[in-house]
Amino acid sequence: DAKTTQPTSMDCAEGRAANLPCNHSTISGNEYVYWYRQIHSQGPQYIIHGLKNNETNEMASLIITEDRKSSTLILPHATLRDTAVYYCIVRVNTDKLIFGTGTRLQVFP
Amino acid sequence: GAGVSQSPRYKVAKRGQDVALRCDPISGHVSLFWYQQALGQGPEFLTYFQNEAQLDKSGLPSDRFFAERPEGSVSTLKIQRTQQEDSAVYLCASSLIRENTEAFFGQGTRLTVV
Repeated sequence: DAKTTQPTSMDCAEGRAANLPCNHSTISGNEYVYWYRQIHSQGPQYIIHGLKNNETNEMASLIITEDRKSSTLILPHATLRDTAVYYCIVRVNTDKLIFGTGTRLQVFP
Repeated sequence: GAGVSQSPRYKVAKRGQDVALRCDPISGHVSLFWYQQALGQGPEFLTYFQNEAQLDKSGLPSDRFFAERPEGSVSTLKIQRTQQEDSAVYLCASSLIRENTEAFFGQGTRLTVV
């Protein structure tokens, strides 16, 4: 079973920051938080992952709370192309990814 | 190739027919995963290979589903005697064995059983 809880859907205005929350209250010490997204009719795309420190790359930022029970994915300037389903996943090492139902993000003009 | 390649992109099968779905992982990627995604759902894990060894097949829904990766590169997912509930997108992903590295997914094969 997926170990994460995410809102079913969210809206965001184009150009604004999209903040996608994720709860993972039962996360273990050796589990990383991964984020993937899936644009319609495509395979999932890796976005970012982290253990306990905040992470940033060219796509997004990942903020993990100090107790590691929740995290937030931040898309700093959302575009229409960011409309997708976003999956938050906790994963040990190179183990399989267990997807939940994700958050459907709709970016509107 | 630059990414994970899956073929065919679309497959229509008559109920009872056998199908074979192919996955070409990224060159050098040791790990290979198969997932099944029903409409409106997240991907569900099927099976995992490390090189040619199938280390986890806990997600295969029945003995009609069979996967192989004989030379540790290309993989084939075979479904025998297809049924309507097998209709889904089948996704393949590959990754390095390096600790905590991301997995890269293919575009998937959409299987429709009629």
